[in-house]
Amino acid sequence: DTAVSQTPKYLVTQMGNDKSIKCEQNLGHDTMYWYKQDSKKFLKIMFSYNNKELIINETVPNRFSPKSPDKAHLNLHINSLELGDSAVYFCASSPKSGVSPLHFGNGTRLTVT
Amino acid sequence: EDQVTQSPEALRLQEGESSSLNCSYTVSGLRGLFWYRQDPGKGPEFLFTLYSAGEEKEKERLKATLTKKESFLHITAPKPEDSATYLCAVHPSGAGSYQLTFGKGTKLSVIP
Repeated sequence: DTAVSQTPKYLVTQMGNDKSIKCEQNLGHDTMYWYKQDSKKFLKIMFSYNNKELIINETVPNRFSPKSPDKAHLNLHINSLELGDSAVYFCASSPKSGVSPLHFGNGTRLTVT
Repeated sequence: EDQVTQSPEALRLQEGESSSLNCSYTVSGLRGLFWYRQDPGKGPEFLFTLYSAGEEKEKERLKATLTKKESFLHITAPKPEDSATYLCAVHPSGAGSYQLTFGKGTKLSVIP
C-alpha cells in the first residue's frame, strides 16, 4: 500500500561501520532521490537518479553511494560512518526529473555513536 | 546561491484563528514553488505547486499564493489537525536544476 517505503526506520551504529538503507517505490516513477535532514531541519539533496543518469550533490562525501538494482529501488550505502552522519535520511521519487512534486518515504533516523 | 527563507519559525494559533505563513525566495529563475506538510516522524507530504506570479491554489483550509519574491500559505479557521511543520521549496531554472532548495519550515501549532 505504501508508495515510498524505507527500511530500517531507525539505525544505531558505531563510528567506522558500514551500513545500508533500502528504499522502494511502487508508484512507477522514473526518478528517485536521497535527501538528508539534519538537526537544523534543513532538507538537502544528496542524489538524484533515474535509469539514465546519476546526479550527485558535490558536497556529499564519497563514503555515500547510491545503488539502484532496478527502477523501483534506490538503496543508500554509507562506508566508514562518522558522528556527523547522524541525521534523518529520506528517500523520494517523482514521475520525471523535471518540475514535479516529490513523494517522500517516512525517513530513516541514523544515529552514529 | 539559491535561498529560501520561511517565517515565522514557529506559530501558535487558537483553533479558528486564521493566519499566514511566509516563504521568501532568491533564485536566478523559478520553474516552480512547492509547499509540503511534515508531521513528526514522517516524510514531507506534497500540498501545492505554484508556477508563476499571481497563481493561487486551494485545498480545504489552505490557500497558497505566489509573487515574484515570495509565497504565502494562508490558513483559514485552522483546526488542531492542521498542526505540522510546513515546508516551502523552490525549483530553480538554472544549471543543476534537478534539485529543490528547501526552507527550514514553519512549525504550526493549533490549540483547541
